[in-house]
Amino acid sequence: GENVEQHPSTLSVQEGDSAVIKCTYSDSASNYFPWYKQELGKRPQLIIDIRSNVGEKKDQRIAVTLNKTAKHFSLHITETQPEDSAVYFCAAISPQYALNFGKGTSLLVTP
Amino acid sequence: KAGVTQTPRYLIKTRGQQVTLSCSPISGHRSVSWYQQTPGQGLQFLFEYFSETQRNKGNFPGRFSGRQFSNSRSEMNVSTLELGDSALYLCASSLDGTTVNEQFFGPGTRLTVL
Repeated sequence: GENVEQHPSTLSVQEGDSAVIKCTYSDSASNYFPWYKQELGKRPQLIIDIRSNVGEKKDQRIAVTLNKTAKHFSLHITETQPEDSAVYFCAAISPQYALNFGKGTSLLVTP
Repeated sequence: KAGVTQTPRYLIKTRGQQVTLSCSPISGHRSVSWYQQTPGQGLQFLFEYFSETQRNKGNFPGRFSGRQFSNSRSEMNVSTLELGDSALYLCASSLDGTTVNEQFFGPGTRLTVL
């Protein structure tokens, strides 16, 4: 089955800096890569996603890049703010509709 | 539209008991997936249902089972509970099974096994 590796597990940045989280996947048939943000005590919420026919997607301060050849994708957050502090999960979906998650990155943005 | 709902929100059980959790998807969504979330293992895929059929199953023992009803509501059952089953169980719904769509998560059921 699909195996998703996510790094780093924790990330601390100063407000205004950029944060980058990287993920790799194993199943070359995976075609959808969402990123979820989970604040403490809350449910995961989709912040951005990318499909395998696209190399990059941007939404305001958040961007995701996908390298299908290398089977890795990354989340980039620019101009970080304290409210960006949360756990971020990457995921890859198999053609059988199983969403496999990375183990998460705990991001702390300090003022 | 109302979001994904899960009941109950909290459960305390003892080892050996069984438990049933319920998930009501967003109206019109026909796919429901279940996940187990623990601090050490993150979010792990349990199974996915579409039109009352289990289409995919993760690497969990047979004690974990589920079903989906004709109105797309889904239940999961865990029999012979073990301490290690303590976790947050999340369900997520998506629109249909023909294309990949965003999954919307419910608030989860926090299961504690004593």
